Amino acid sequence: KQEVTQIPAALSVPEGENLVLNCSFTDSAIYNLQWFRQDPGKGLTSLLLIQSSQREQTSGRLNASLDKSSGRSTLYIAASQPGDSATYLCAVKEAGTASKLTFGTGTRLQVTL
Amino acid sequence: EAGVAQSPRYKIIEKRQSVAFWCNPISGHATLYWYQQILGQGPKLLIQFQNNGVVDDSQLPKDRFSAERLKGVDSTLKIQPAKLEDSAVYLCASRPQGANSPLHFGNGTRLTVT
Repeated sequence: KQEVTQIPAALSVPEGENLVLNCSFTDSAIYNLQWFRQDPGKGLTSLLLIQSSQREQTSGRLNASLDKSSGRSTLYIAASQPGDSATYLCAVKEAGTASKLTFGTGTRLQVTL
Repeated sequence: EAGVAQSPRYKIIEKRQSVAFWCNPISGHATLYWYQQILGQGPKLLIQFQNNGVVDDSQLPKDRFSAERLKGVDSTLKIQPAKLEDSAVYLCASRPQGANSPLHFGNGTRLTVT
């Protein structure tokens, strides 16, 4: 059974800092990995999707990396801003399943002024 | 494009009552999902539809939960009877064709069972 873990559970940083969020998964037979952002009271917004054959994806200040063999992904946020405050979740799509996503429990990020 | 629409936004019921949630996915999205997100946890898949057929309902508590997607568009999720532990946010998501297409989520329905 696939298990997805995110560390840390919560993180507070001052504005302008670069930061890294971690995601690990137990079964490396994945099809892809997605990073989502969730604002309070809202649904999830897809940030980046990395296919199993890729090593990283970039979008603006966000960079996600994937090391499938070690079961790890990181989300790097450069020059953090207060607007980045949200919960960040990673999810893996398992190979050979009907596109089922297994989510981590998220990292709650607060960027302070 | 219009996003995934869900209603109601909030619902408070007493245990043993019934409740229904509605979802309208993005136009043209064949795949629709219902997720349950308990406070402090990641979303858990309840059921996945491909058009109007069920693809995966292995984690749906079928003794009290039911879902349908008539005509392959809108979907409803029902709980009958509700238990205290059903208090959660129920998220609907849809996805276009393509194995690597991302999910689009609605804002969810927050259910409180008292």
